[in-house]
Amino acid sequence: DAKTTQPPSMDCAEGRAANLPCNHSTISGNEYVYWYRQIHSQGPQYIIHGLKNNETNEMASLIITEDRKSSTLILPHATLRDTAVYYCIVPMDSNYQLIWGAGTKLIIKP
Amino acid sequence: EAQVTQNPRYLITVTGKKLTVTCSQNMNHEYMSWYRQDPGLGLRQIYYSMNVEVTDKGDVPEGYKVSRKEKRNFPLILESPSPNQTSLYFCASSFQGPRGEQYFGPGTRLTVT
Repeated sequence: DAKTTQPPSMDCAEGRAANLPCNHSTISGNEYVYWYRQIHSQGPQYIIHGLKNNETNEMASLIITEDRKSSTLILPHATLRDTAVYYCIVPMDSNYQLIWGAGTKLIIKP
Repeated sequence: EAQVTQNPRYLITVTGKKLTVTCSQNMNHEYMSWYRQDPGLGLRQIYYSMNVEVTDKGDVPEGYKVSRKEKRNFPLILESPSPNQTSLYFCASSFQGPRGEQYFGPGTRLTVT
């Protein structure tokens, strides 16, 4: 089973910041949090990952709470092309393979 | 261009007819993996490979085989396909194993009748 909990769907207005929450209360100390997205049925696309410090790249920012039990992915200026399913993933303990849940379907509205 | 390619992209076949889906990457990645995705669900891992000649089962390996004879290729083999293997299949590769950024192929939509 996935080790993360995400809302099944969210809306966001074009041009606004999209904030996608993820709960990973059972995360252990050395596990990273990964975010990917999937547009329609295309191959998933890596967005960002982090351990405990906030991370930022050209696509998004990742804010991880101090207790590491939850995180938020921020798309600072959402566009229609950001409409996708966003997956928050924490690896399995035993072999570090990623376990994918159902993700959050983000719809950006004009 | 760095990419993962899969062939075929679409395949309709009949129960029991052996098939192979090819996966190739041009990034010299050591780690490769196969996933399947069913409607409304996230990806489930079938097999993965940490390096040449090293393969391991994922969450749903039953009915599938893989091989890794060379770094760039990681074919998925269905020796006797069944209708419950109808799914969307993705191949992925990564430089740093599962911990690193995974690059995904475009997907293969398989229908078994």
